[in-house]
Amino acid sequence: NAGVTQTPKFQVLKTGQSMTLQCAQDMNHEYMSWYRQDPGMGLRLIHYSVGAGITDQGEVPNGYNVSRSTTEDFPLRLLSAAPSQTSVYFCASSPLQGSGNTIYFGEGSWLTVV
Amino acid sequence: AQSVTQLGSHVSVSEGALVLLRCNYSSSVPPYLFWYVQYPNQGLQLLLKYTSAATLVKGINGFEAEFKKSETSFHLTKPSAHMSDAAEYFCAVITMDTGRRALTFGSGTRLQVQP
Repeated sequence: NAGVTQTPKFQVLKTGQSMTLQCAQDMNHEYMSWYRQDPGMGLRLIHYSVGAGITDQGEVPNGYNVSRSTTEDFPLRLLSAAPSQTSVYFCASSPLQGSGNTIYFGEGSWLTVV
Repeated sequence: AQSVTQLGSHVSVSEGALVLLRCNYSSSVPPYLFWYVQYPNQGLQLLLKYTSAATLVKGINGFEAEFKKSETSFHLTKPSAHMSDAAEYFCAVITMDTGRRALTFGSGTRLQVQP
């Protein structure tokens, strides 16, 4: 079972470069989201989507763009990378119905901006 | 708004000893609570979740947690620690603000198991 798949797993960027973190899920989940994980801060929500064509900002959206053209894919774009965006990024998905439904996470993408 | 506080960023126990990881939540509505585990350089794996059914929730790998409304707590326990339990553990609560679903995470507790 593929679940939530993220690519790349590791990436080094120079300040000012742009890149896209890919996320795909094969569980037909309506809800998808991106988190970043920083030491001592847990995970913080960047952007989320409740279905194709619908996205919204989370807790820390600045410097990131998202789009949701299909149910399966939810890419995260860094338009002009900054050292403050060095972090571990996690994509997650879940069914939309039912508040207690589990949120499934990808394996993470380690990003370093130099 | 909902929030989660994990007491103790690092916990060290001996192999075979009781594991107790503390989590307190703040919520204006009945919460849905989760414990996730993260092994080094890996993603988050669900250990267990509370969704208003039984207050004592059993999860994978011998872990369990008890929801105590009066104490606003959801502490994670395991009777006997194993070396393979060394990882970082996150408590989380579902946020349902304006229809979105997002997990609000605690800052995490790193569990070290000594031989």
